[in-house]
Amino acid sequence: ETGVTQSPTHLIKTRGQQVTLRCSSQSGHNTVSWYQQALGQGPQFIFQYYREEENGRGNFPPRFSGLQFPNYSSELNVNALELDDSALYLCASNLGGTYGYTFGSGTRLTVV
Amino acid sequence: GQQVMQIPQYQHVQEGEDFTTYCNSSTTLSNIQWYKQRPGGHPVFLIQLVKSGEVKKQKRLTFQFGEAKKNSSLHITATQTTDVGTYFCAGSPGGGSNYKLTFGKGTLLTVNP
Repeated sequence: ETGVTQSPTHLIKTRGQQVTLRCSSQSGHNTVSWYQQALGQGPQFIFQYYREEENGRGNFPPRFSGLQFPNYSSELNVNALELDDSALYLCASNLGGTYGYTFGSGTRLTVV
Repeated sequence: GQQVMQIPQYQHVQEGEDFTTYCNSSTTLSNIQWYKQRPGGHPVFLIQLVKSGEVKKQKRLTFQFGEAKKNSSLHITATQTTDVGTYFCAGSPGGGSNYKLTFGKGTLLTVNP
């Protein structure tokens, strides 16, 4: 059903390490957003990329960074991991503008 | 910054009963979207409302956008066990920040068969 795929599905990292999460957006969707969802909370906007450039950012520190590639894939990088970074990370893509987002199944990141 | 509040946080109903969740924004919204997330799953887009006072229906689901474009509701008639999940509203402030969806904390619906 979903055209957005994320990898890996689960990941365990140690505090201070760096992590890269990957997303393959639905074909034709030139906008990709990343969200962080803590347990029992709604998704929180991290940033959005449009045509390979970041065009918006939420209240996340610079150690959260991203890339978008021409083939509709994207990455979320997090440096200097902290325990509070443990969450479900969701990638979402859409056609741009105010269309609804298609979410991937997410990557469950645990920082120990 | 923009805040989106949802009530109730939890709702448990008997199958066949109705269910309503309410969403309120601290600022006027350009549009509001609703998502459903099944336990262990990811958010799935349900609908988007754009116009003041707009009402949209999807089978047993009725979505409303307030006249002031600061509140919204989702009503489910005659709930079924397949309706179980967390329902999120997500608002967009519009203008240059139209991309930025602010999600509420969601309402977790459980249905007793």
